[in-house]
Amino acid sequence: GDSVTQMEGPVTLSEEAFLTINCTYTATGYPSLFWYVQYPGEGLQLLLKATKADDKGSNKGFEATYRKETTSFHLEKGSVQVSDSAVYFCALSHSGGSNYKLTFGKGTLLTVNP
Amino acid sequence: DTEVTQTPKHLVMGMTNKKSLKCEQHMGHRAMYWYKQKAKKPPELMFVYSYEKLSINESVPSRFSPECPNSSLLNLHLHALQPEDSALYLCASSYRLAAHTLYNEQFFGPGTRLTVL
Repeated sequence: GDSVTQMEGPVTLSEEAFLTINCTYTATGYPSLFWYVQYPGEGLQLLLKATKADDKGSNKGFEATYRKETTSFHLEKGSVQVSDSAVYFCALSHSGGSNYKLTFGKGTLLTVNP
Repeated sequence: DTEVTQTPKHLVMGMTNKKSLKCEQHMGHRAMYWYKQKAKKPPELMFVYSYEKLSINESVPSRFSPECPNSSLLNLHLHALQPEDSALYLCASSYRLAAHTLYNEQFFGPGTRLTVL
């Protein structure tokens, strides 16, 4: 079955540091890939997405590129802010009849200190 | 309006109580979802409604009873819950479920924090 593996957290960075959160997946076919963010006490927000190989999703300074050859979708940001402190979930979904199902990674807690 | 709203924000209930969680969206989405999220874990899918009909039940105990009275509303009725049911309950919606849909972006609400005593 499908699975998503994220780097174990927590990740603690200083403001303006470079962020990478690794995500790899196992799935048949060509899934769509997502990064969701969950701020403390809130629900999940879609941060960015990519639907096919070599697509780059970007939003709010975050980027991730769909790499089919390495089955990866690593999240990066060049300069993190305190307000980026949250839990980040990598997820995948298939098209077609099973597209209701989001397979999540375990989540990575990011803390950014001033 | 690109928002999914959930009420109440917090709920405390005893094991003999009956309560309901409410979810509402006005994006014209025809697929709606309930998830359960325990602390420091990803959300777990519970139910999926498509065009107001229950499509998926992920083997959820009968003490959780979903209802979709119309295309904008989704309820989760709770009865005789256990302390281990304490969690954040998230509602989500998406455009629709269809075999030819490329991907299915889900929009999440802020959740209801449930505590069962």
